[in-house]
Amino acid sequence: SQQGEEDPQALSIQEGENATMNCSYKTSINNLQWYRQNSGRGLVHLILIRSNEREKHSGRLRVTLDTSKKSSSLLITASRAADTASYFCATASSGNTPLVFGKGTRLSVIA
Amino acid sequence: DTAVSQTPKYLVTQMGNDKSIKCEQNLGHDTMYWYKQDSKKFLKIMFSYNNKELIINETVPNRFSPKSPDKAHLNLHINSLELGDSAVYFCASSPGGGATYEQYFGPGTRLTVT
Repeated sequence: SQQGEEDPQALSIQEGENATMNCSYKTSINNLQWYRQNSGRGLVHLILIRSNEREKHSGRLRVTLDTSKKSSSLLITASRAADTASYFCATASSGNTPLVFGKGTRLSVIA
Repeated sequence: DTAVSQTPKYLVTQMGNDKSIKCEQNLGHDTMYWYKQDSKKFLKIMFSYNNKELIINETVPNRFSPKSPDKAHLNLHINSLELGDSAVYFCASSPGGGATYEQYFGPGTRLTVT
């Protein structure tokens, strides 16, 4: 299975601090995606990074991808209480295979 | 306007019953999905439809039957419900098939089987 594994499982930080979550996977990928899920809600897409890309930014989010280590990281800078959510990475080995989600990292940002 | 909507949001039913969950997307996407999220938040794909045609059918009991009357709708019918079917079911859509595109998720349907 190429299921992504997020690390840590849970993370608690103070507002204003940076939060870093990691995702490791097992086989080669076409792309890797990060999603956020607020409690009781559906998932929201954050960033898609392709296998030939190394870094992408979106607002306060920065995603890196290291295909040699089969890992990705999601950095949220200057965190806010509203960033409290679960964050999932999802991978696919090709454009025709389904996304496989990891188990998520629960982020708590304390005001 | 809600991009991907699901009804009902909550569904409580007894074992052995048959129930349906409806999903609609107004994004004009070609591909729709059903996912199951268990109590540990693990999200697993069940089905994928592209232009009303089934393209992914993961290892799901045949008590689960998706139906796509048009490319904007993908409904999920579940026969003979079991306790283990209790979960949150998410519908999603994307502009194209496979995992090349970002997916847009509905708010989820929490199914409780008693």
